[in-house]
Amino acid sequence: QSALTQPPSASGSPGQSVAISCTGTSSDIGAYNYVSWYQQHPGKAPQLMIYEINNRPSGVPDRFSGSKSGNTASLTVTGLQAEDEADYYCSSFAGTKQVIFGGGTKLTVL
Amino acid sequence: EVQLVESGGGLVQPGGSLRLFCAASGFTFRNYWMSWVRQAPGKGLEWVANIKVDGNEKYYVDSVKGRFTISRDNAKNSLYLQMDSLRVEDTAIYYCAKDTAYNIFDYWGQGTLVTVSS
Repeated sequence: QSALTQPPSASGSPGQSVAISCTGTSSDIGAYNYVSWYQQHPGKAPQLMIYEINNRPSGVPDRFSGSKSGNTASLTVTGLQAEDEADYYCSSFAGTKQVIFGGGTKLTVL
Repeated sequence: EVQLVESGGGLVQPGGSLRLFCAASGFTFRNYWMSWVRQAPGKGLEWVANIKVDGNEKYYVDSVKGRFTISRDNAKNSLYLQMDSLRVEDTAIYYCAKDTAYNIFDYWGQGTLVTVSS
């Protein structure tokens, strides 16, 4: 299983919106609605931000949303805030209890 | 409050072994799949292995099959990862993660660093 493809970087100014893509195949993202997104600040453990394409765990701001079309999923952050600056990783269920991650996207708030 | 606390990491020579531990609290451990996820220095996340609630099903990423063994003790709310025949490329922070259905990791530990070097 190859890693999902994410852009290495993304950026936006405070208050703006930014979208991060995550491209897989018909065997992972295209086959299942089990796409998740994780936020990781430097030196910290990852935190679940989105699960099952567009569901937010309790405590995650509604500025974070997800979507999927075909083999590509996206994370959108609206109303960017300084604390949103972090690395973001997508993941997808890939069958038989396997999961693959994307390579990660470093989000910079300008 | 859900807590996952890893331990057991350290420096080991190539070909050596190490056993990682994860102590879980704040949830009914025996009701959930559990996973290990690792992150090499400056790199992305990689799922390593997971284990079913009763320990009877285990799955591994291809690169560790035959070398790593995941196990659990529900009476002790503990998760383990036995790592044998370690390679330099196994160097990473290893995270213990609570695994909901379909490999969604809703809680993570703080990680334990494993360094494989001569």
